[in-house]
Amino acid sequence: DAGVTQSPTHLIKTRGQQVTLRCSPKSGHDTVSWYQQALGQGPQFIFQYYEEEERQRGNFPDRFSGHQFPNYSSELNVNALLLGDSALYLCASSHRNRQGEANYGYTFGSGTRLTVV
Amino acid sequence: EDKVVQSPLSLVVHEGDTVTLNCSYEVTNFRSLLWYKQEKKAPTFLFMLTSSGIEKKSGRLSSILDKKELFSILNITATQTGDSAVYLCAVREVQGAQKLVFGQGTRLTINP
Repeated sequence: DAGVTQSPTHLIKTRGQQVTLRCSPKSGHDTVSWYQQALGQGPQFIFQYYEEEERQRGNFPDRFSGHQFPNYSSELNVNALLLGDSALYLCASSHRNRQGEANYGYTFGSGTRLTVV
Repeated sequence: EDKVVQSPLSLVVHEGDTVTLNCSYEVTNFRSLLWYKQEKKAPTFLFMLTSSGIEKKSGRLSSILDKKELFSILNITATQTGDSAVYLCAVREVQGAQKLVFGQGTRLTINP
């Protein structure tokens, strides 16, 4: 049973560039949430995707955008990279219960370490 | 603004010691509190607490929630070097995406 898969594991980009990070959810999960974890800090919620739509967004600028595909996998895009975007980007997948409540079986991937130079 | 604060931020103890990690929160729409262990990258789930006063246990780890005083503790007894990690506390909201609001973590180091 594959868990949450993220790619790439490491990435180095230059300021001003754009980056795309990918996440494949755990089998049976239909919801993907993205978090940013700066060094020495706890993860911060970026946004969540369900049924190919962004359902909620944290306090992140529009440079951060995402997408969810029909197979539930997701991408996180960051434009015009800043040095401060350097962080571990975590994807978490989950499923909704019969009442439509999110975040059951919440499982994290191993993350993508993004370094902006 | 929702806030989760963990203490201490860093802790160094000897193998065999007992440790207590603290988590306090100010969250408007509280649903549950979760503890995670993060060794390298992926946080791994330890406990989910929804009711006050009910202790959850898993081996040498235990946790309890106080919803009146808005805090939780995570206890680890007879610590081992393999317990060295960052321990994250997170609160899950009731509404919307039910996102997790994390504390900054406690870095625990167990010396042999």
